[in-house]
Amino acid sequence: KNEVEQSPQNLTAQEGEFITINCSYSVGISALHWLQQHPGGGIVSLFMLSSGKKKHGRLIATINIQEKHSSLHITASHPRDSAVYICAVKKIDSNYQLIWGAGTKLIIKP
Amino acid sequence: DTEVTQTPKHLVMGMTNKKSLKCEQHMGHRAMYWYKQKAKKPPELMFVYSYEKLSINESVPSRFSPECPNSSLLNLHLHALQPEDSALYLCASSQLGGLNEQFFGPGTRLTVL
Repeated sequence: KNEVEQSPQNLTAQEGEFITINCSYSVGISALHWLQQHPGGGIVSLFMLSSGKKKHGRLIATINIQEKHSSLHITASHPRDSAVYICAVKKIDSNYQLIWGAGTKLIIKP
Repeated sequence: DTEVTQTPKHLVMGMTNKKSLKCEQHMGHRAMYWYKQKAKKPPELMFVYSYEKLSINESVPSRFSPECPNSSLLNLHLHALQPEDSALYLCASSQLGGLNEQFFGPGTRLTVL
């Protein structure tokens, strides 16, 4: 079993829908990272969080340390949100290494 | 300035060529990273520099040679690569301590013929 699991693997939705992407992990962590990657492109850091909730524009990330679970929400989704969303965790005993989820491919149709 | 820049954007090289990838950041970060990413896979960590010293080498073949000339620059020297080394090479940087959020560059798309 992977230490970081994301669901769903693929998600197709209509413009305007509320999107939720989930990330579960099985190791002790110091922080969790949500990142975005457009096809053929570089990686953009969306959030890094160790507790609670963070919001930036239409994006909201939450984490529940006790349940080892995080969610990324997108409100009022738009076709430009189409990308791969990746969850990565920093293990509690590591300064640098991230353990990566497999990513969720999101397609928003107009 | 919250940007990590990488050059070149694309690189095509033969197996006997020597080339270099460059990465630059001006955020005052003291940790810099090289990752390799194959299609539809998450990035794989290759090297980490901390205070311009090599901290982590994830058993990368010697045909990849990293260099950190100063705290803002990171190079990856390539020599005698194989076609299977074709991938997207990503550079990242972070502060040391705290959450260590990594900021990524746009990547160099490398094709080895």
